[in-house]
Amino acid sequence: GQQVMQIPQYQHVQEGEDFTTYCNSSTTLSNIQWYKQRPGGHPVFLIQLVKSGEVKKQKRLTFQFGEAKKNSSLHITATQTTDVGTYFCAETFYNTDKLIFGTGTRLQVFP
Amino acid sequence: DARVTQTPRHKVTEMGQEVTMRCQPILGHNTVFWYRQTMMQGLELLAYFRNRAPLDDSGMPKDRFSAEMPDATLATLKIQPSEPRDSAVYFCASGAGRQGYTFGSGTRLTVV
Repeated sequence: GQQVMQIPQYQHVQEGEDFTTYCNSSTTLSNIQWYKQRPGGHPVFLIQLVKSGEVKKQKRLTFQFGEAKKNSSLHITATQTTDVGTYFCAETFYNTDKLIFGTGTRLQVFP
Repeated sequence: DARVTQTPRHKVTEMGQEVTMRCQPILGHNTVFWYRQTMMQGLELLAYFRNRAPLDDSGMPKDRFSAEMPDATLATLKIQPSEPRDSAVYFCASGAGRQGYTFGSGTRLTVV
């Protein structure tokens, strides 16, 4: 089935370091959503980006939508152990509500 | 906070048995998704509904899986007959429009 590529697949960082995950699609997207899943938990909605070039911030998290609406990134500044989990982008395409999840980036933070 | 409720939380069954998973979406949410999560395949979209009408079930093995919404408060995912390769966590998610979706806690299915 359809799949959206995310890189990296895994990232291990020392607490206090920054972290970035990237999401890439071959087609233009209507919007993109980001979710976080803690180990053993379920995905939790973080944010939605709709406009070309949009940048949104949530405390230490910065989300960007590419100018061509084909890629997106999530950047975490000064990671904390509470940031541990898998971060997914999820894409919707024009004329459909179909929500396709990326492959995810698993973040591990060492104290 | 409003929640999406999934039952059962865990299910262990023998190969060949029928399995039914249930989801109660958040009241007022008109879009419901079913996803399957495995280590190898990640989060796969199985089916989704808007206003109880099935819009896409292309991700589902048609010969053994079926998804329905008999009413606005209940979505079901059925596997008959179940196979060991169906072992996974099955998530239901609901939402209203494209404003982000709320996931249930999932059903962890093990087929032996």
